[in-house]
This record gives sequence, structure tokens and C-alpha cells, in this order.
Amino acid sequence: EAGVTQFPSHSVIEKGQTVTLRCDPISGHDNLYWYRRVMGKEIKFLLHFVKESKQDESGMPNNRFLAERTGGTYSTLKVQPAELEDSGVYFCASSLSGQSYNEQFFGPGTRLTVL
Amino acid sequence: GENVGLHLPTLSVQEGDNSIINCAYSNSASDYFIWYKQESGKGPQFIIDIRSNMDKRQGQRVTVLLNKTVKHLSLQIAATQPGDSAVYFCAERVHGSGNTGKLIFGQGTTLQVKP
Repeated sequence: EAGVTQFPSHSVIEKGQTVTLRCDPISGHDNLYWYRRVMGKEIKFLLHFVKESKQDESGMPNNRFLAERTGGTYSTLKVQPAELEDSGVYFCASSLSGQSYNEQFFGPGTRLTVL
Repeated sequence: GENVGLHLPTLSVQEGDNSIINCAYSNSASDYFIWYKQESGKGPQFIIDIRSNMDKRQGQRVTVLLNKTVKHLSLQIAATQPGDSAVYFCAERVHGSGNTGKLIFGQGTTLQVKP
């Protein structure tokens, strides 16, 4: 069974440009999460989808970030326009509701560098 | 080897020694705790978890201890091996967020195993 996949693995853009990150969760997982780790600090929650609905978007830093999960399968996270402080590693995780421990499985991350 | 105090970014141990990684969590309402291991170029991988109604849980070569009085979590790795070299994160989930709620991560400790 394939794990969580993310694309691209690396992205280097200039300040003011737009970048779209993609996450494909484990097939059948209804929960999808976005996290990011900035400059060697802790991993911080961004938002949580249940199927196509945003369950919790309390971690989204500002309105330059837009996450979608049309159809409840893969998700995209768009940053527009990108700023220097957006640099970091963006992780996606997925999980299946109804499990007693609800383990979140993480993808390898997308390393975003804004110059 | 052990990182004492609230958090030290790097712990260096000799191969074959036991490692103890400590973590202070933030929310007394958290009811579920997980340790993740992140190797270079990969996403966080689940190691072991513990619920708040327990104070100890053992896995293969790993043990997690929970002290709710002082909000402290530790990960013990027995007979540390070179393959254990990675960044280790503790994470908590706040009670009431449901078992699909977001995770709150600590800053991470880099474990370096010397041959």
C-alpha cells in the first residue's frame, strides 16, 4: 500500500511568486492534515480536512495560504504571494476515522525555499 | 545519554548505550502523546504512543514514560544503534479535539549515535 505522497519534494521560488503544493493521502483516509516546520523549529499544525470539508484551519498563518481538497481525495496548498518567512518544510499527514488511536501517517514533505 | 532539562537540540550517545530523550508538553488537557522519528529527507514516522491514563508503555527497544504531574514525557531507547540517528519529536493531542484532532509538536531533539 502506498503511503502519503507529496509533490514537489523541493521548490525554490522568489518572493512574490505563487507556489502550489500537492498531497495525496493514503487511499481511503478521510482525514488530511497540513503541517509545516520552519527553520529547524517545531512542526506546527496548519489545517485539517475531513473529506472535502475544513474541520480546523486554526493554524493557517494568513490569507496568503489557501488549502483545498476538492472531491475529498488529494489536497493542494497554495501560497500566494510567497514571502521569505514561508520557507520551511511542509508536511501532509492522513488518517482514518474510527480507529482507536487514529495514527497520523506523514508524507516526506515539500521543502519550500523563498528567496 | 540523556538530554536534561526542558529541551536540548542535540543528544550524542555511543552505540550500544541507552538514550533518553526528554520533552515537556504544554497542555494539561492533552490526553494522548506520541513520539515520532524523522530521518533526513523523510517525514515523521510513528514510534510509540501513550494515553494519559498510563504512565509507561513499552515497545521494541523503546519505552515511553509519562509524568502528568510535571507535564513531562520521555523516550528511552535501549542499546542505541546507528540507525536510530534522527530527529525525535514528541507530540500531544488535546482532549476534546476528538481522536482525529491536530497534533502539537515539541521542538525536536537530534540524536547522534557514535560508532
